[in-house]
Amino acid sequence: EVQLLESGGGLEQPGGSLRLSCAASGFSFSGYAMSWVRQAPGKGLEWVSAISSSGGDTFYADSVKGRFTVSRDNSKNTLFLQMDSLRAEDTAVYYCAKYFASGSKFFDSWGQGTLVAVSS
Amino acid sequence: EIVLTQSPATLSLSPGERATLSCRASQSVSTYLVWYQQKPGQAPRLLMYDASNRATGIPARFSGSGSGTDFTLTISSLEPEDFAVYYCQQRSNWPTFGGGTKVEIK
Repeated sequence: EVQLLESGGGLEQPGGSLRLSCAASGFSFSGYAMSWVRQAPGKGLEWVSAISSSGGDTFYADSVKGRFTVSRDNSKNTLFLQMDSLRAEDTAVYYCAKYFASGSKFFDSWGQGTLVAVSS
Repeated sequence: EIVLTQSPATLSLSPGERATLSCRASQSVSTYLVWYQQKPGQAPRLLMYDASNRATGIPARFSGSGSGTDFTLTISSLEPEDFAVYYCQQRSNWPTFGGGTKVEIK
C-alpha cells in the first residue's frame, strides 16, 4: 500500500523559511516523479512543484518560483520542499502527491497534508 | 495558464439521484482531464483520468466524458459516501484545477 507522510509544517512569520518532508513507502519511490500541491483554507487545489524521478528536473508554479525549492533523496525515499521568503498567501495545507506514471502530470496517491501558516 | 471552470458550485441532491458535474477549459486539453473527490479533512482521491478512465477501485456508478474544452462527471445513483467536493484537473500542461463542485445532501 502506498503511503505518503508529510511533516514540517507549522506557523512561520512572513519572510521566514520552512522545510517540508514527505516520507514515502509502499512503492518504488525512485521510479516516480512527485509533486507538491497546496490548498488554502476553504479553497481549491493549486499545483506548486514537481520533480522528476531522478531529481534532475524540477518545475514550479509561477507563484512560488524563486522562493521554493523541491528536492528528493531516493536513498531515503523522501521528498522535500524548501520554502523561503514565505508570504501570507502561502498559508495552506501542503500535500505531497505521487505521479500516476512517468510524465502523467496527475496524481494517484496523496499524503494527508501538513499545514503551513504564515502570519506575524 | 489553462483555466478550468466547474459548474455548478453546489449541487443539492438526494441519495439515489443522478449527479451531473461540468468542467470547462479555457482552451482545448484534448482528453487530458482528471477528476478527484475530496471529503472534509481528507486528501483528494483520484476518480477518473483522461476524461473517461476510472481509477483503480472506483465504482462503476462514476463515469466521465468529454473532450476538447467540455467535460462531464456523472454519478448515476448517489450513495451516501459520494457527498463530497469534486475537482477537475487538466494535465495537458502543468496542472491546473477547477474551483470544485460540492455535492451536498438535499
